[in-house]
Amino acid sequence: DARVTQTPRDKVTEMGQEVTMRCQPILGHNTVFWYRQTMMQGLELLAYFRNRAPLDDSGMPKDRFSAEMPDATLATLKIQPSEPRDSAVYFCASGSGSSYNEQFFGPGTRLTVL
Amino acid sequence: AQKITQTQPGMFVQEKEAVTLDCTYDTSDPSYGLFWYKQPSSGEMIFLIYQGSYDQQNATEGRYSLNFQKARKSANLVISASQLGDSAMYFCAMRENSGYSTLTFGKGTMLLVSP
Repeated sequence: DARVTQTPRDKVTEMGQEVTMRCQPILGHNTVFWYRQTMMQGLELLAYFRNRAPLDDSGMPKDRFSAEMPDATLATLKIQPSEPRDSAVYFCASGSGSSYNEQFFGPGTRLTVL
Repeated sequence: AQKITQTQPGMFVQEKEAVTLDCTYDTSDPSYGLFWYKQPSSGEMIFLIYQGSYDQQNATEGRYSLNFQKARKSANLVISASQLGDSAMYFCAMRENSGYSTLTFGKGTMLLVSP
């Protein structure tokens, strides 16, 4: 049963610390998405990769957030320095780029910045 | 303007009854896709059903069906024979084909199924 995996599942950190979240997309999927979910804003797209190349990261605060895909099996989202307003659940999703374009979501990383 | 609007913050239904969750959308793209996702209290996002803008028939997946009214720009989710396990947040989302393959989500509807 192929699934998107994310680590860590929960992260509590202090303001100013660096946070790195990791995602392993489903093998064979060539699109990867990072979303952030908060009560106030709902689900927001942060970044989108196709074939490991970033296509859209306009939803991401550039001064502190960065997203990369070092290889086809790993996507990372880094926050440096973290702030309390970054507290949210961060989801990674992957898709096969077919016309159907269904996105399979990982379990999410719940980030709390104190 | 919001692209996806879910006007029902919360809905209550009794077990075994049918329930309709509303979703309206806004796009000028002639080609688009509409999705429904379920998010239970455990937090994961579970894909439920998909409707393409050119699909002639309403999509169905088991107890889920999508009431697609293109002229009204609505894509309501119908859950038949509700079960206790259906209690969750439900999100409507849209992908516009002219852009990237990204999804725009609505704010969600919390569904509570009572015995």
